[in-house]
Amino acid sequence: GENVEQHPSTLSVQEGDSAVIKCTYSDSASNYFPWYKQELGKGPQLIIDIRSNVGEKKDQRIAVTLNKTAKHFSLHITETQPEDSAVYFCAASTGDNFNKFYFGSGTKLNVKP
Amino acid sequence: NAGVTQTPKFQVLKTGQSMTLQCAQDMNHEYMSWYRQDPGMGLRLIHYSVGAGITDQGEVPNGYNVSRSTTEDFPLRLLSAAPSQTSVYFCASRGGFEQYFGPGTRLTVT
Repeated sequence: GENVEQHPSTLSVQEGDSAVIKCTYSDSASNYFPWYKQELGKGPQLIIDIRSNVGEKKDQRIAVTLNKTAKHFSLHITETQPEDSAVYFCAASTGDNFNKFYFGSGTKLNVKP
Repeated sequence: NAGVTQTPKFQVLKTGQSMTLQCAQDMNHEYMSWYRQDPGMGLRLIHYSVGAGITDQGEVPNGYNVSRSTTEDFPLRLLSAAPSQTSVYFCASRGGFEQYFGPGTRLTVT
């Protein structure tokens, strides 16, 4: 099966700085890569996603890049704010139906005011 | 819309006991799934369903049963709880690409 590795496990930045979280995957057939934000005591929530036919996608302060050759993708958050503090998960899915999702181990982001 | 709801929020079981974790969604999604979340391991897929009457195994299915009799409900059954099943359990549903997660059930098996 697919193996998704995520780094770093914790990340502390100053408010206003940028944060980058990186994931690698093992199955070259994976073709959908979502990112989730999980706040304390809540379920994960999709914040951005990218499909394998696209190299980069941006939504306001959040962007995701994908390198299919190297099998890695990254989450970029610019101008971080204290409310960005949470645990972030990357995931990968494969196939036409995207029935199975494989998650990274998570990154705890702390934005210091 | 309530989205995805899960009950109970917390549960303590003794080894060998059985229980059912409930999950319901009101978005008319065909796809539903169950994950467990353990510290440092992210979320791991237990079982999923692509519609009423259709279920399949995920990454870690052993010790868990599921069935899907309606579009709305997807219960997860633990037939004989073990301490290794202590975890936080999340149910999710999906219409297009986006998965919507419930608030989770924290299960402790002693």
